[in-house]
Amino acid sequence: EPEVTQTPSHQVTQMGQEVILRCVPISNHLYFYWYRQILGQKVEFLVSFYNNEISEKSEIFDDQFSVERPDGSNFTLKIRSTKLEDSAMYFCASSGTGANQPQHFGDGTRLSIL
Amino acid sequence: GQSLEQPSEVTAVEGAIVQINCTYQTSGFYGLSWYQQHDGGAPTFLSYNALDGLEETGRFSSFLSRSDSYGYLLLQELQMKDSASYFCAVPPNSGNTPLVFGKGTRLSVIA
Repeated sequence: EPEVTQTPSHQVTQMGQEVILRCVPISNHLYFYWYRQILGQKVEFLVSFYNNEISEKSEIFDDQFSVERPDGSNFTLKIRSTKLEDSAMYFCASSGTGANQPQHFGDGTRLSIL
Repeated sequence: GQSLEQPSEVTAVEGAIVQINCTYQTSGFYGLSWYQQHDGGAPTFLSYNALDGLEETGRFSSFLSRSDSYGYLLLQELQMKDSASYFCAVPPNSGNTPLVFGKGTRLSVIA
């Protein structure tokens, strides 16, 4: 069964540094999402992406965040200047076209800011 | 906006049946989904209800009552591997929109 893949599985970064989290969505999916989950808390939406542009973003997705689809397969989340509170699990998800399509999640990247 | 309420923890015995409830408040309703998440793992889609009634998928069933703004996930013949967190989630709009998740219910299956 096709799956969403994310790299790296764990990223440790100094506060203030830039990080790029990478995702390869399921190949025939057109809708892409980033979510984050702080340890022990619920999954929170960050941003959605369709047709090479952001379709929705949450309050969390401020100017420090950006997303990009640099080629036909990758979907990246960049955090420009990381803060301690950015430490979380970041999940990429994708879904196909059509009504009520479920979102398929990757295994996540655990981001630890020191 | 959207808000969802779930119990924080449920414990059940192996082989038993457990029901995890979810009540929601939404400005518009476009379906209720359930996801399973094992510790350190990704949320995995379990089920989706757009209309009232029961949807069955193997040992798992999901129920929706739109008039009560309520749904539940029913797990039968519980197995140890079912120990995980279970999240209900709603899309705030129709179509392929991001999900708003509940805080999750941690299910512990004991022998």
